[in-house]
Amino acid sequence: DTGVSQNPRHKITKRGQNVTFRCDPISEHNRLYWYRQTLGQGPEFLTYFQNEAQLEKSRLLSDRFSAERPKGSFSTLEIQRTEQGDSAMYLCASSLYGGANTGELFFGEGSRLTVL
Amino acid sequence: DAKTTQPTSMDCAEGRAANLPCNHSTISGNEYVYWYRQIHSQGPQYIIHGLKNNETNEMASLIITEDRKSSTLILPHATLRDTAVYYCIVRSYYGQNFVFGPGTRLSVLP
Repeated sequence: DTGVSQNPRHKITKRGQNVTFRCDPISEHNRLYWYRQTLGQGPEFLTYFQNEAQLEKSRLLSDRFSAERPKGSFSTLEIQRTEQGDSAMYLCASSLYGGANTGELFFGEGSRLTVL
Repeated sequence: DAKTTQPTSMDCAEGRAANLPCNHSTISGNEYVYWYRQIHSQGPQYIIHGLKNNETNEMASLIITEDRKSSTLILPHATLRDTAVYYCIVRSYYGQNFVFGPGTRLSVLP
């Protein structure tokens, strides 16, 4: 297992375009999280899934942001009509929830978005 | 989840122990203390966590005060590769997510 994988690693787009990021979690992990991180700040929680169910989405920054995890495996984060303020690192993390598991998050390397 | 307070930055000489403090005075009985670190341009990395007993693993030691209102992460022999931002997070075991603050920027100096 190679850990959490995110693609693309870098994305440059023009304002108003839509972008989609993909996250492949560690295979047996049932929880998947999306965070956003801007320069000099800690990661900011956006949303998370348990299997295919999106259990928390109120922290998504606006209705331009949406996330899916259709089969409980990989997830996508889409930003529609991008704005310059969306420029940030988007981090995905997964964890194994339940039982005696300690629940720590395993993060990917992130997808850096630059909106021109 | 309880809020944490950490110093903004710290320096440590290479080879010496790095002691990173964290205050969590409003921690409740079912909340754990987790530590993560983030090396520049990488995703955060889990280090260690604990409830009330001191914990040690291959990366670090975690010392939690008896009243659980503060803790210290100890890197016993800091190397240049330990230069990173260190985050202290308090979270209940089955909490929804991890809330990251700004963390402590540790610089290990040669």
